[in-house]
This record gives sequence, structure tokens and C-alpha cells, in this order.
Amino acid sequence: KAGVTQTPRYLIKTRGQQVTLSCSPISGHRSVSWYQQTPGQGLQFLFEYFSETQRNKGNFPGRFSGRQFSNSRSEMNVSTLELGDSALYLCASSLQSAGANVLTFGAGSRLTVL
Amino acid sequence: GEDVEQSLFLSVREGDSSVINCTYTDSSSTYLYWYKQEPGAGLQLLTYIFSNMDMKQDQRLTVLLNKKDKHLSLRIADTQTGDSAIYFCAESIQNQGGKLIFGQGTELSVKP
Repeated sequence: KAGVTQTPRYLIKTRGQQVTLSCSPISGHRSVSWYQQTPGQGLQFLFEYFSETQRNKGNFPGRFSGRQFSNSRSEMNVSTLELGDSALYLCASSLQSAGANVLTFGAGSRLTVL
Repeated sequence: GEDVEQSLFLSVREGDSSVINCTYTDSSSTYLYWYKQEPGAGLQLLTYIFSNMDMKQDQRLTVLLNKKDKHLSLRIADTQTGDSAIYFCAESIQNQGGKLIFGQGTELSVKP
């Protein structure tokens, strides 16, 4: 069973540009969540999508957006990049059945903003 | 508010037990999780515990939960050099779906 796949794994952008990151969840998982990991702020929740609808949102500016497709694949977009957006962006998928919400994480997309 | 605290570093000798501690503030936590992150990798789920349980054991891992004090610990028995990593505790909040609140992570260093 394939895990959560994130692409690209590494990318370098300059300030002001925009970036799109992709996440393919585990087959059968309908929920996809995104997290930002930085040395200073740690792991912070960005948003969660379930059945193509954003179900939950963290405290990030509107420059951060996402979407989910009918096959549960998800993308997140960051526009007008700032130096502080340099981070590891992690995607996680889950079944969202009753009980523990067990998230399976991908390896992440490491974004460097110059 | 939602806050999860962990100590930042722990160093142990190979073969000893490691105990990583975590405190949380939100009393509406439903489940509490322990994740492991190795360099250059994503997060790997180690174990989780329902907030109404006191203890859970899974091979070398023992999770203790003191709900009254909002204190969670992860004990790793017979710690090996391969256990060196960053360990995160996290809580899920009722009706918050896939949102987990993570601690800052504890870097475990295992010396031979």
C-alpha cells in the first residue's frame, strides 16, 4: 500500500513568487491535512480538507490556500512568498472513521525562499 | 487555550530506558499521540492513547496519561541508537477533525 506522496520534495523560490505543493493521500483516505514545520514555530496546522471541502483552518494569512480534488489528492498554494515561508510543509491523510484520527504523514516538501 | 509543552532535549545511554514528558492544556482533548521524526523525514506515528485511558503498552513503548494533571509520558525500554530522533506529542481536540496540536518536540540522543 503506497504511503502519502508529496511533490516536489525540495524547491527554491524567490520573494514575491508563488508556489504550489501537491499531496497524494493513501488510497481510501478522504481527509488531507497540511502542516508547516519551522525551527522557530514548530509544527503548525494549516488546513484540512475532507471530500473536497475545507473543514478546518489554522491561523495563517490568506496567502495560504488549498484545495482537494475528487480523487482526494490535495494541493496547497502560497502566493507572494516571504522569507518566513521557508519551511517543511507536511501533508497527512487519514480515514476519518470513528475513534482516533490517525494521521499518516508524507515526507514533506522543503521550501526555501530567497 | 491549546498548548502542548515538551522538554527539548534528552540524552540516554544505549540499553537504558528513556522517558519523554509532555503537558497539555486543553481539557477537551480526545486522543493523545506520540510521533517520531528522523532527519529529512516526515512524522511516523508511534502510538496513541484515548484520553480516558491511563496507560497503554506496545512492545518497548509505554504511554502513561495523567488526565488530572494533563501530563503524558512516553517510556522507551532498552533504548537503541536507532531510537535517536525527535519525538513529538500531540493532542486532538473534540470536533476539530484532522487538526492536531503538537509540542515543540524532544530530541532524543542515544549514546553507545
